[in-house]
Amino acid sequence: EPEVTQTPSHQVTQMGQEVILRCVPISNHLYFYWYRQILGQKVEFLVSFYNNEISEKSEIFDDQFSVERPDGSNFTLKIRSTKLEDSAMYFCASSESGTFGYTFGSGTRLTVV
Amino acid sequence: AQSVTQLDSHVSVSEGTPVLLRCNYSSSYSPSLFWYVQHPNKGLQLLLKYTSAATLVKGINGFEAEFKKSETSFHLTKPSAHMSDAAEYFCVVTFRDTGRRALTFGSGTRLQVQP
Repeated sequence: EPEVTQTPSHQVTQMGQEVILRCVPISNHLYFYWYRQILGQKVEFLVSFYNNEISEKSEIFDDQFSVERPDGSNFTLKIRSTKLEDSAMYFCASSESGTFGYTFGSGTRLTVV
Repeated sequence: AQSVTQLDSHVSVSEGTPVLLRCNYSSSYSPSLFWYVQHPNKGLQLLLKYTSAATLVKGINGFEAEFKKSETSFHLTKPSAHMSDAAEYFCVVTFRDTGRRALTFGSGTRLQVQP
């Protein structure tokens, strides 16, 4: 069964540092997403990406965040200057149609110290 | 505003007994509804989805859910719980008419299965 792959599974970074979270979506999918889950809280939408541009973003996705599809297979989330409150599990997802059938990766746990 | 409410944060059942996880949504738009499961240290796995076809939806591992528009509900059921069902379950909604693709998650229900 096709999978969405996320690396690394766990990353620890110092406050103020830049981090890049990496994702390899399913190869024939066209829509890509990032979600996050702060410990003990709901899973929250961050951003969706289609046709090489952001199609939708939440209030959380401020100027500290950016996404990129640098080649035909990777989809990255960059946090420019991490804060303690960025500590969370970050999930990448992809979908073929953009509406149904999202497939999520297993997540990257980001710890900012 | 659109939202989804999972009425129970924790549910505990005995192995072999029925499971009921409750979910209600609110919106003026036509919803697409999903149930996802998250096992410890694992990703989010799609159990089943409702997208405007049959109101009774069957998913993986014996789970099913019924969309009831009059009650704005999408409760998840399973006739007989198995130990491997112990996990966190999320009711998720998106709204087709809005053109948005973002998913809105409920707060989750942790299912415990006692031997």
